[in-house]
Amino acid sequence: GAGVSQSPSNKVTEKGKDVELRCDPISGHTALYWYRQSLGQGLEFLIYFQGNSAPDKSGLPSDRFSAERTGGSVSTLTIQRTQQEDSAVYLCASCPAGARGTGELFFGEGSRLTVL
Amino acid sequence: AQSVTQPDIHITVSEGASLELRCNYSYGATPYLFWYVQSPGQGLQLLLKYFSGDTLVQGIKGFEAEFKRSQSSFNLRKPSVHWSDAAEYFCALNFGNEKLTFGTGTRLTIIP
Repeated sequence: GAGVSQSPSNKVTEKGKDVELRCDPISGHTALYWYRQSLGQGLEFLIYFQGNSAPDKSGLPSDRFSAERTGGSVSTLTIQRTQQEDSAVYLCASCPAGARGTGELFFGEGSRLTVL
Repeated sequence: AQSVTQPDIHITVSEGASLELRCNYSYGATPYLFWYVQSPGQGLQLLLKYFSGDTLVQGIKGFEAEFKRSQSSFNLRKPSVHWSDAAEYFCALNFGNEKLTFGTGTRLTIIP
């Protein structure tokens, strides 16, 4: 596609349920990032993929969070046993190589997660 | 420790007035520096970036930023703001690894 596509755009779930958030990056971009944006906070780095590998997943808040990427393209962020503090906008970004290269990340519009 | 700070949470300016948004960082070397803008309901868009060379960089939408090594700053400026500039602005740094570290953002409100 022309840009980074994320789905769902909005997700409301009950505490304790699992959720999956999907990111479809720009075609040909080898680097893919997940960030979390909470109210009043900046963007919090979660995980970085280069191809299908995740060299840096230092930002995942707990073992309830996991992510995978397949075929060097689509990525899924999974949150198990959701908690209210997981409520946030989850942003996906892709980049032709990596941030250390051009540094320009192309962002999707985000998936807004609300945990009741 | 590596960090980026945007001291102003919210700024209000009149349409046509000049604008300066502050960004400071802590790092032992010169990082790669970026400004992104997030309009309501949209993803982040790159305004401009600095890697090296001329410390005054021009970006899209009439924005510019100046890197000042002595002050560890990379402030964003615009001579005359338009109502469409109302948005959230994020300073971001690359500290030599493969991710960008973002500041907490500055929300810009434009009044007629």
